[in-house]
Amino acid sequence: SQQGEEDPQALSIQEGENATMNCSYKTSINNLQWYRQNSGRGLVHLILIRSNEREKHSGRLRVTLDTSKKSSSLLITASRAADTASYFCATDFTGFQKLVFGTGTRLLVSP
Amino acid sequence: EADIYQTPRYLVIGTGKKITLECSQTMGHDKMYWYQQDPGMELHLIHYSYGVNSTEKGDLSSESTVSRIRTEHFPLTLESARPSHTSQYLCASSELGQGFEKLFFGSGTQLSVL
Repeated sequence: SQQGEEDPQALSIQEGENATMNCSYKTSINNLQWYRQNSGRGLVHLILIRSNEREKHSGRLRVTLDTSKKSSSLLITASRAADTASYFCATDFTGFQKLVFGTGTRLLVSP
Repeated sequence: EADIYQTPRYLVIGTGKKITLECSQTMGHDKMYWYQQDPGMELHLIHYSYGVNSTEKGDLSSESTVSRIRTEHFPLTLESARPSHTSQYLCASSELGQGFEKLFFGSGTQLSVL
């Protein structure tokens, strides 16, 4: 499968801690995106990183991309209970004409 | 806040009924998509469109059909619903660019077929 694989599948932390989730993929990409989904809702776009970029920041979010290892990580700093959600990576594979979503990481942030 | 709307939010129907899930966006996006997602699972692309009168099947085989008569509207129809169609259906749109720009998602329709 060309689908992104995410780990961990689930992560439980306390408020104020950092949360790191990883995404690995198998073939060349044009860009990689991270989305967030609250339970029973649609997805919300968080950040897009292109294949020629190595790191991007947005507020408390930091995304890195290592194309040599075919992997990306999403770091949420100083987590809050409101960050509780599922986080998905999505990859735009070169020549594939589709955005393929990973299996997701379920994050639980306890007060 | 995304300007993409899905109705109904929840739908419970009996087997054999014909249903249409509505999706509309006010952003003028050319690309639109339908994804199917079971609880806690990944998203599967079932249909997509690059513009008016353009529709394509996605990765996951689906008995549903779609139409794209207007840019802003991308309805999904099931002619005869079955319990196996029970799932969440997510509509999304994006600009027509060189690659895949970010997707805007609706809130989804949770379909239950009894």
